[in-house]
Amino acid sequence: QVQLQQSGPGLVKPSETLSLTCSVSGGFSDAYYWSWIRQPPGKGLEWIGYIFYSGSTDSNPSFESRVAISIDTSKRQFSLKLRSVTAADTAVYYCACRHSSGYYVSWAQGTLVTVSS
Amino acid sequence: DIQMTQSPSTLSTSVGDRVTITCRASQSISSRLAWYQQKPGKAPKLLIYKASTLESGVPSRFSGTGSGTDFTLTISGLRPDDFATYYCQQYKSYPVTFGQGTKLEI
Repeated sequence: QVQLQQSGPGLVKPSETLSLTCSVSGGFSDAYYWSWIRQPPGKGLEWIGYIFYSGSTDSNPSFESRVAISIDTSKRQFSLKLRSVTAADTAVYYCACRHSSGYYVSWAQGTLVTVSS
Repeated sequence: DIQMTQSPSTLSTSVGDRVTITCRASQSISSRLAWYQQKPGKAPKLLIYKASTLESGVPSRFSGTGSGTDFTLTISGLRPDDFATYYCQQYKSYPVTFGQGTKLEI
C-alpha cells in the first residue's frame, strides 16, 4: 500500500514561490501518476498537476504555467513549485497517488499554505 | 472543463438513516466517476471508483450507481463515523474535476 508524507512551509509571501515535497513509501513506481491537488479553505478540490515516474508532467491550464513538478526517484520523492503566489493560492495542498484510470487511491495528510506578507 | 454538480450541498440526517447523494456531470463521463469521503482536517479517502466499484476495505453499506451524466452515492444505515463531506470526481475528461461536496450533518 502506498503511503505519502508531505513537507514544506506553511507560510509564503505574495509573489514568491510555494514549494512542497511528498515522500512516498511502498509502491513508488510507474504504476501511478504522482499528483498535487489543493483545497481552498471551506471550498472544493482542484487538481494542480501530476508527474509520471519517467518525469513527464501535466498541469491544470488554470495555473497558467506557474506550476513545476519534479521527481527524484532515488529519494522516493516528488515536489511542487508554484510561482508568483497570491492570496488566492492560500489552500490546503495535498499530494496524492493517482491510478492510471484517473482516480486518487491514496493521499497525504495535507499542508495548509497561507500566502501572506 | 466538465462541471460536476452535487446535491444537496448539506443533508441533515440521523444514525441509521439511508441517504442518497446525487452528482451530475455537465456532459457524459461514461462510468468514470469516483466518490470520496472527507472528514474535517483530513485528506479525502477513496470510497468508490468506476461509478460502482467499492474500494478495498470500504464497508458494503456504501454503494454507487449511474452512468453517463447522473450518479448517486447511497449509504445504507448511517453510522456516526459516516458524518463527513462527500465529493464526486470525474476522470473521463481532462482536466479531472470534482463536485463541490455534500456535507452530512446530524
